Amino acid sequence: KQEVTQIPAALSVPEGENLVLNCSFTDSAIYNLQWFRQDPGKGLTSLLLIQSSQREQTSGRLNASLDKSSGRSTLYIAASQPGDSATYLCAVGDYTGGFKTIFGAGTRLFVKA
Amino acid sequence: GAGVSQSPRYKVAKRGQDVALRCDPISGHVSLFWYQQALGQGPEFLTYFQNEAQLDKSGLPSDRFFAERPEGSVSTLKIQRTQQEDSAVYLCASSLGSSRTTDTQYFGPGTRLTVL
Repeated sequence: KQEVTQIPAALSVPEGENLVLNCSFTDSAIYNLQWFRQDPGKGLTSLLLIQSSQREQTSGRLNASLDKSSGRSTLYIAASQPGDSATYLCAVGDYTGGFKTIFGAGTRLFVKA
Repeated sequence: GAGVSQSPRYKVAKRGQDVALRCDPISGHVSLFWYQQALGQGPEFLTYFQNEAQLDKSGLPSDRFFAERPEGSVSTLKIQRTQQEDSAVYLCASSLGSSRTTDTQYFGPGTRLTVL
């Protein structure tokens, strides 16, 4: 059964710092991995989607990498801003799970001004 | 263009009551997902529709949970005889096509259900 783990559970950094969020998954038979952002009381916003054949995706100050063989992904946020404060969720789709997308519990990020 | 909308945004039910939660996906989106999110946790998959066909309902926790999408657009998640453990945020998401590999899911704001 696929399990997704995110470390750290919470993170507080000063504005301007570069940071890395980690995601690990137990079964490498995935077809994609997505990173989402969730603001309090709101739904999820897709940030980046990496297909299984890809190694990384970039959007603005965000860069996500995927290493299927080791079951890991990282989300790199450059020059963090207070507006980046949110919960970041990692999710995988795997071939054994049908149409399921399996989420980690998230990393709560707080960027101090 | 409008995003995914859900109603009601908040629902309080007494234990044993039936509730119905509505999801309006982005117009033209083929795929629709329902998730349950407990406090401090990531969303957990409940069910998946491709147009009006329910292709995966493996995440529904019990036979008290029922979902439908009769015309391939609006979907309703119904919970019968609600229990306190059903208290959670219920999220709906839609995606344009039916590709599992490339389609981004767009989420609604969720319905927060509290069962007293």
